[in-house]
Amino acid sequence: AQSVTQLGSHVSVSEGALVLLRCNYSSSVPPYLFWYVQYPNQGLQLLLKYTSAATLVKGINGFEAEFKKSETSFHLTKPSAHMSDAAEYFCAVSDRRSQGNLIFGKGTKLSVKP
Amino acid sequence: EADIYQTPRYLVIGTGKKITLECSQTMGHDKMYWYQQDPGMELHLIHYSYGVNSTEKGDLSSESTVSRIRTEHFPLTLESARPSHTSQYLCASSEQGFTEKLFFGSGTQLSVL
Repeated sequence: AQSVTQLGSHVSVSEGALVLLRCNYSSSVPPYLFWYVQYPNQGLQLLLKYTSAATLVKGINGFEAEFKKSETSFHLTKPSAHMSDAAEYFCAVSDRRSQGNLIFGKGTKLSVKP
Repeated sequence: EADIYQTPRYLVIGTGKKITLECSQTMGHDKMYWYQQDPGMELHLIHYSYGVNSTEKGDLSSESTVSRIRTEHFPLTLESARPSHTSQYLCASSEQGFTEKLFFGSGTQLSVL
């Protein structure tokens, strides 16, 4: 069965610092991978997705993620954190065996210090 | 951007009451979902639907039921609420397919006393 593991339930960075949120997946067939963001009191929004095209995926708000099959990873990065990036980030996986239904990780809460 | 609405936003109710959580979308999406979210835990899929008159159980067993009589409407019902049902319930919709973007509502925070 598919699964995702997000390392670190809480990450804190200073404004302007690199953001790195880790996600490792498990899937026996080629996966589709997603990052969603949830701002306080809002629903989740899609940041970016990997669908077996380019391994480096660029998303909204300056975020990007790289699919590394050898490491079964799909880490999310942003070169320079902004205060508005403070939110909870969820990694998710789907594949044809799950009928396209997303399997989510536990989420990582990002705090940005001034 | 999201045109998917959930009501109520917060609900506090006593044990044994019947409740219905409403979810509506105006995007004409065929596929709709209900996820359960607890702090520090994964979002768990509890129900989904491919379209009108289609309902399927998700990965997490739930005592709730759903119906899909209209494309835009996907309500979730608990016949007899219990404290173990206390959670955040998120509704979402998408186009059909394996890589389609999910649009989420803002959620309903349910507390059962």
